[in-house]
Amino acid sequence: KAGVTQTPRYLIKTRGQQVTLSCSPISGHRSVSWYQQTPGQGLQFLFEYFSETQRNKGNFPGRFSGRQFSNSRSEMNVSTLELGDSALYLCASSRGPPGAKNIQYFGAGTRLSVL
Amino acid sequence: GQNIDQPTEMTATEGAIVQINCTYQTSGFNGLFWYQQHAGEAPTFLSYNVLDGLEEKGRFSSFLSRSKGYSYLLLKELQMKDSASYLCAVRDQVSGGYNKLIFGAGTRLAVHP
Repeated sequence: KAGVTQTPRYLIKTRGQQVTLSCSPISGHRSVSWYQQTPGQGLQFLFEYFSETQRNKGNFPGRFSGRQFSNSRSEMNVSTLELGDSALYLCASSRGPPGAKNIQYFGAGTRLSVL
Repeated sequence: GQNIDQPTEMTATEGAIVQINCTYQTSGFNGLFWYQQHAGEAPTFLSYNVLDGLEEKGRFSSFLSRSKGYSYLLLKELQMKDSASYLCAVRDQVSGGYNKLIFGAGTRLAVHP
């Protein structure tokens, strides 16, 4: 069974650009969550999707957005990139719906560098 | 507020036992997770506690005390490959019944011969 797949693995962008990251969950998983990981802040929750609906959102500006498709694949978009957006972006999938012992399994992440 | 504390770094000797502590404060608690993350890799699930007590899984055990807002991860018979970051995460139940994971900053464990 394939794990969580994130593409691309590495990205280099410049300030002001926008970027789209992709996440394919484990087959049969319907919930996808996104996290930002930086050395200083650790893993911070961005948002969670289930059945194509955003169910939960972290404390990030509106430049961070996402969506989920009918096949449970998810994309995350960051507009007007800032230097501080440089981070490892991790996607995690779980069976869902959110609740109970819903273990999240992580992808390898997309490392975004903003120059 | 929401806060999760764990030590930044720990060192231990191969073959020994190490305990990594985690204390938390959240507005709504619905389970605590431990993940292992090797440098440059994805976090991998280790354990889950929702009731008080000890959960054992091979060389790894995790303990939870909800009244104290406290958990620990116990690693026995340490191996070099256990050198990694260990992340404590609490599922915080928000209004509407949906949950999100709040992570601690992680504990970097170095195992030496």
